Amino acid sequence: AQTVTQSQPEMSVQEAETVTLSCTYDTSESDYYLFWYKQPPSRQMILVIRQEAYKQQNATENRFSVNFQKAAKSFSLKISDSQLGDAAMYFCAYKEGNSGGSNYKLTFGKGTLLTVNP
Amino acid sequence: DTGVSQNPRHKITKRGQNVTFRCDPISEHNRLYWYRQTLGQGPEFLTYFQNEAQLEKSRLLSDRFSAERPKGSFSTLEIQRTEQGDSAMYLCASSARQGAGGYTFGSGTRLTVV
Repeated sequence: AQTVTQSQPEMSVQEAETVTLSCTYDTSESDYYLFWYKQPPSRQMILVIRQEAYKQQNATENRFSVNFQKAAKSFSLKISDSQLGDAAMYFCAYKEGNSGGSNYKLTFGKGTLLTVNP
Repeated sequence: DTGVSQNPRHKITKRGQNVTFRCDPISEHNRLYWYRQTLGQGPEFLTYFQNEAQLEKSRLLSDRFSAERPKGSFSTLEIQRTEQGDSAMYLCASSARQGAGGYTFGSGTRLTVV
């Protein structure tokens, strides 16, 4: 079974600084997708960024970028120029590719609580 | 379209009572998912619908839990004879297709069993 591990329960960053959240995963599949979701307090979960495993290029969305190391099964999220609104719980998630038997199911890590200090 | 809607937002119930939650997905989305999130944990998969067909149920979904999606539109999740261990956030999500597309989540229903 696939597992997703986020080893940092909590992280903090100063406003305008850069922070990196870690995620590792375990799978025997070669075709899969990885996601970072943001869950602000008492608000819905929002997709931040996604990465297809077959793509070597790291995904980027404005201030958010990933460092995808397929061989190491590592998928970290870098937030640049941190803003107060970035404060939230961040979840790393895995999904099998289209050929997988459970290709509809997201497997989440336990999350990292990010605090942004003014 | 206002996204995925879940009702109620909060539910407090006494142990042993039955509860039902509702999820209205994005109208164009034919896939619907239920997840459960307990304190300090990431969401865990409960069940998946494609249109009106329930294609998978997690082992987490005991026989006290039942989910339906009549006519492939909204979905309900019912918990019978609630237990304190059922206290959690119940999240609904929907998607239009497989592949790299992420899900759109609702705001969840927080259940407290006292």
